[in-house]
Amino acid sequence: DQQVKQNSPSLSVQEGRISILNCDYTNSMFDYFLWYKKYPAEGPTFLISISSIKDKNEDGRFTVFLNKSAKHLSLHIVPSQPGDSAVYFCAASAQRIQGAQKLVFGQGTRLTINP
Amino acid sequence: DADVTQTPRNRITKTGKRIMLECSQTKGHDRMYWYRQDPGLGLQLIYYSFDVKDINKGEISDGYSVSRQAQAKFSLSLESAIPNQTALYFCATSDPGLAGGQETQYFGPGTRLLVL
Repeated sequence: DQQVKQNSPSLSVQEGRISILNCDYTNSMFDYFLWYKKYPAEGPTFLISISSIKDKNEDGRFTVFLNKSAKHLSLHIVPSQPGDSAVYFCAASAQRIQGAQKLVFGQGTRLTINP
Repeated sequence: DADVTQTPRNRITKTGKRIMLECSQTKGHDRMYWYRQDPGLGLQLIYYSFDVKDINKGEISDGYSVSRQAQAKFSLSLESAIPNQTALYFCATSDPGLAGGQETQYFGPGTRLLVL
């Protein structure tokens, strides 16, 4: 059962335009969402996060939107730059039980920014 | 220097062999995790540890074992490797932070394992 889904395996965007990466989840208990970026031969690096008490979080060119009723979140990158080309993973976690915070990851979306 | 390091970065082994993947961190975090990544499946949690005396199974622990030798070190072992354990393995750390707060995990560079 895939609790976190990224339905687009790949996305190609022109440099300077907006990149929108989408993620859907099924578990209504999730209350914290994160986006990670991964370059080849490197581990995932934390990009941005959002708590379920918010519907938007912004950090420079990156904005994450959360629609709890639709169980959907998206990452917007504006403007897109060639260095943004990477695989992006969304992840979600539920409120810790007995101190456990476990992340559930989506399958990833490969973003390619074209010059 | 990297905060989370993994050794080896690449490993080829044969079916039935025992191998160990090592993870070290300088972030001072108590919590450490092992994940595997398969194409099209994202990252799946194998084991996690919240301190030196705490070990917990994740989603896919069968065929794996771990050892938390110190706060900074967390090793993953494949007791008898099989080809479907061919994958990319990542170690991660996190800090529990404020009570009720939400944690961010920080990942190592990964170990690419091929089991023939």
